[in-house]
Amino acid sequence: GESVGLHLPTLSVQEGDNSIINCAYSNSASDYFIWYKQESGKGPQFIIDIRSNMDKRQGQRVTVLLNKTVKHLSLQIAATQPGDSAVYFCAENGDDYKLSFGAGTTVTVRA
Amino acid sequence: DSGVTQTPKHLITATGQRVTLRCSPRSGDLSVYWYQQSLDQGLQFLIQYYNGEERAKGNILERFSAQQFPDLHSELNLSSLELGDSALYFCASSVGGGGRPQETQYFGPGTRLLVL
Repeated sequence: GESVGLHLPTLSVQEGDNSIINCAYSNSASDYFIWYKQESGKGPQFIIDIRSNMDKRQGQRVTVLLNKTVKHLSLQIAATQPGDSAVYFCAENGDDYKLSFGAGTTVTVRA
Repeated sequence: DSGVTQTPKHLITATGQRVTLRCSPRSGDLSVYWYQQSLDQGLQFLIQYYNGEERAKGNILERFSAQQFPDLHSELNLSSLELGDSALYFCASSVGGGGRPQETQYFGPGTRLLVL
């Protein structure tokens, strides 16, 4: 079946460096994508979203890039901080009435 | 704070028992979604309610049921519990609920269920 997936389950990054988290999706019908951050013991927290009529969207220290040609989504975090340590999920709306979530990437920030 | 509340935060029970998890959506949100998150799996969609009516079903077991009340809060009922039901259960809410979602779902803090 079609699913959302992330390229790497873990990412270790030096504090102050930029982070890039990748996500591949296979449902060509998806036209809305969201990135969530989940800290230990907490619920997923909305970071940023993007619609398929856009290639790029920027938030505070975060940028989401969408490449519909290769069905690829990425989240860039600028100047990564210790508070950015968390699991990051991408989600797509390929199916009616629900979001499908990827398995998640665990980001660890090294001091 | 997302504005979505869930109770209880933690629940410990025995196999065969029944529990009820409660969720209050953000003010103004009409849709409530339930998800299960276990250690070896990501977020699995269980069920969605929109303005009191069931809108979509995902991987929800027959032992599980849910409802949304007139005040829009929702309850997830888990019965005949098994060890494998131990997981985090999240509720999310959104303003609308039709067709393919085009809006953010905001998640609550979750209920951690442990079945012994």
